[in-house]
Amino acid sequence: NAGVMQNPRHLVRRRGQEARLRCSPVKGHSHVYWYRQLPEEGLKFMVYLQKENIIDESGMPKERFSAEFPKEGPSILRIQQVVRGDSAAYFCASSPESGAHYGYTFGSGTRLTVV
Amino acid sequence: GENVEQHPSTLSVQEGDSAVIKCTYSDSASNYFPWYKQELGKGPQLIIDIRSNVGEKKDQRIAVTLNKTAKHFSLHITETQPEDSAVYFCAASWAGGYQKVTFGTGTKLQVIP
Repeated sequence: NAGVMQNPRHLVRRRGQEARLRCSPVKGHSHVYWYRQLPEEGLKFMVYLQKENIIDESGMPKERFSAEFPKEGPSILRIQQVVRGDSAAYFCASSPESGAHYGYTFGSGTRLTVV
Repeated sequence: GENVEQHPSTLSVQEGDSAVIKCTYSDSASNYFPWYKQELGKGPQLIIDIRSNVGEKKDQRIAVTLNKTAKHFSLHITETQPEDSAVYFCAASWAGGYQKVTFGTGTKLQVIP
């Protein structure tokens, strides 16, 4: 009964490189949510995906950021041409049905550092 | 959109004392209010939640209260222990289907042995 698995735990990228963050939800969960947490701040919603579909991307910057949740494999959050301001902890959560009231399970996060 | 404010940002209590964290929300349509605990280096973990048809909910040493009229809700931890030290987040959402969860800015609780 593995929980939400995120990898890598820590990622260092130089400015201009690409960052790929992976999230494997709880087995049987088909709803995935990505959040960003800046130091000493709360969690900011980025995107909500179901298998093969983006449902709500209202919190994700229009440029450089993209997300997918393919039929097979983990959900991927991709940040192209990273800048220092992208340094943050990125958390993924999953739920068995749509909505937090079904219970979000969070992963341990990926801490991205842009140098 | 929804806006959730949380106070205090830091809280220190002696072991055995009680701790109270307060949150307010802006969207009267919100009806689901979870609380998460985040330990250092880990992801948030749901510890208790309350829906708007209930005014209070208790689970051992943890209780939440909700005042729909005033749009505020609180987390109460009694008989605090060192392992309660963590960052606590309140949140608001809608339990009628999908609505993104809006989190408060967090309270760093330190329980002093």
